[in-house]
Formats: sequence, C-alpha cells, structure tokens
Amino acid sequence: DSGVTQTPKHLITATGQRVTLRCSPRSGDLSVYWYQQSLDQGLQFLIQYYNGEERAKGNILERFSAQQFPDLHSELNLSSLELGDSALYFCASSPLVGAPLTGELFFGEGSRLTVL
Amino acid sequence: AQKVTQAQTEISVVEKEDVTLDCVYETRDTTYYLFWYKQPPSGELVFLIRRNSFDEQNEISGRYSWNFQKSTSSFNFTITASQVVDSAVYFCALSEARAYSGGGADGLTFGKGTHLIIQP
Repeated sequence: DSGVTQTPKHLITATGQRVTLRCSPRSGDLSVYWYQQSLDQGLQFLIQYYNGEERAKGNILERFSAQQFPDLHSELNLSSLELGDSALYFCASSPLVGAPLTGELFFGEGSRLTVL
Repeated sequence: AQKVTQAQTEISVVEKEDVTLDCVYETRDTTYYLFWYKQPPSGELVFLIRRNSFDEQNEISGRYSWNFQKSTSSFNFTITASQVVDSAVYFCALSEARAYSGGGADGLTFGKGTHLIIQP
C-alpha cells in the first residue's frame, strides 16, 4: 500500500460528459502528480502541483484541468470526454520537490476511465 | 527524441529462465536519477529501484539485479530464475534537471514499458 488513495477506481461514462478524479496523497507529501496511461501513449505526465500551486504542466489537454486543495488532496477534471480519453489515470505523490527528483514517486492504484 | 527507450515491447520466457529487460536513456544533464517500476496485472505501479548518475555500481536484490552503464546510457534489469509472479509490465524512468526535462516537470519520464510474460 503506497498510501496514495485514488477514487473512483473505475468509471464508465459517455462521450461529451465530464468527470472528476480524486487523489489523496501520502500523509505529509506536498507534491502531487497526475499521469495518464493509455495503450498507445504509455505513461504520460499531465500536471504537477506543489502545496496548492501548479508547478509544471506536461501533455495535458485544454479540456482537462486540475487543482490541489488546502488539505493537499487533488482533483483532475476531464470534460467534453472523447473515446480517446479512455485510460488509466494515476496520481502520485512525493515529499520532495525539485529536479532531478531524488526519491521515488508513490503511485495510487489508478482510476480506470472508460468513455463509451 | 525519446528520452527513455525500452525497445522490447514484450518478452515471453519459461519459468526459471533468466531474463534481461533493456533500458536506454537520453539526457544532457550530468546529475540524474533512473528508476524501475513494476506494474502487475492488478494495475498499481510498484517502485523497484532508484539509481543516481554518480553511482555505477551494479545492484542485486534477491533474484533482481541492475546493470547501470553510463558509457552506453543503459540501465538494464535482470531477473534470475524467473517466476510466474514476475509477470508484469516493467517501466524504466528518468528524472533530470528541469532545464532538460522538456515539460519542466520535477517528476519522471517513463519508457513505454516491457510486458514480461513468464510461462509456467
């Protein structure tokens, strides 16, 4: 158990809909990352937050947004969903910040999104 | 250019065979870290090892060993006497300074993974 909690574990929705994925980082970890894992793209970095502030953006679509709240949990919002958004979305946390990252990221079990 | 290349998409071996998973990375940074993660069929990502760029000592942990060679920019992973429970997707990842990480992230850049199948 990594200590990172993601909900929901599975989500099935229709094209055009909007969903919110939630992540609770490990206790004390200030840094939260979101990754998307799809069959063709592999593990793609989406966005990082540190102590409530956006720190870095990766390949995140404009239809997607995220935030980190004062209690450090984070939410990833996916809107106007398309079939291609079907993927496993991971949240990871770290007590560290700065690059290179000297410690491992702790990953949640992921939220599997299926868009029909 | 791909920063972390795992050229082997899928490997299938019979139980008890040794198997090596290849990882080649690319960075201009002199200080960086390399990681291996395991993703079993259940889906979670499990951390296996971290290695910094200044430590080229090979590491062994039970049946697992890692060979880091800066000269060839490789960080290969060997499983000795493989077992069915080793069946998983294995990811190699790189962490480098933000100036070199493209997206500016503090996080990890992953290879596309190698699907390892251990047949009984």
